[in-house]
Amino acid sequence: AQSVTQLGSHVSVSEGALVLLRCNYSSSVPPYLFWYVQYPNQGLQLLLKYTSAATLVKGINGFEAEFKKSETSFHLTKPSAHMSDAAEYFCAGLTDSWGKLQFGAGTQVVVTP
Amino acid sequence: GAVVSQHPSWVICKSGTSVKIECRSLDFQATTMFWYRQFPKQSLMLMATSNEGSKATYEQGVEKDKFLINHASLTLSTLTVTSAHPEDSSFYICSAHRIRNTEAFFGQGTRLTVV
Repeated sequence: AQSVTQLGSHVSVSEGALVLLRCNYSSSVPPYLFWYVQYPNQGLQLLLKYTSAATLVKGINGFEAEFKKSETSFHLTKPSAHMSDAAEYFCAGLTDSWGKLQFGAGTQVVVTP
Repeated sequence: GAVVSQHPSWVICKSGTSVKIECRSLDFQATTMFWYRQFPKQSLMLMATSNEGSKATYEQGVEKDKFLINHASLTLSTLTVTSAHPEDSSFYICSAHRIRNTEAFFGQGTRLTVV
């Protein structure tokens, strides 16, 4: 079974600084992993996904994530934070072939000027 | 890209009434749709899995008689909150999956407030 853990429920970064959001997974099979962003009172938007191809995955809005099997991690990064990056971020893993997702607890990102 | 439309975006209803939320995949056929509930500052909690033409599969602890799910076609699933109470107030989100595709496409969510 797939489970996902996000470390840090709240992250504050300065505008222009590195954004690093941590996600660890546990799975008995090769995982499918996703990062989503959610703005207030909105649904989820896919940032990027890992599907057993390249371990470094590039997504939208300058985000990327690296799948590290040895560390069972899929951390999300962005070199330079922008004010518009302030949002809630969720890491998720696929738990079955129908598309059921297991979500992490989420990380709230605050960007300060 | 794939678009999932959820309607309404927000609704206020009186205690004891029922509310229907629609989830439509606009440009693809969705074999499976999922319904989630999200409390403030929390993650998404899966309520049920909706497969076209069959009964929904509910997660443990979710009342199937209270949260009625119908998936009548490959592009539409509905969630009806019956006899709503203030504790049902929440943000409800649906997602839809293409046939043989692992990616989920999410609706924009519905803010339900029961007064």
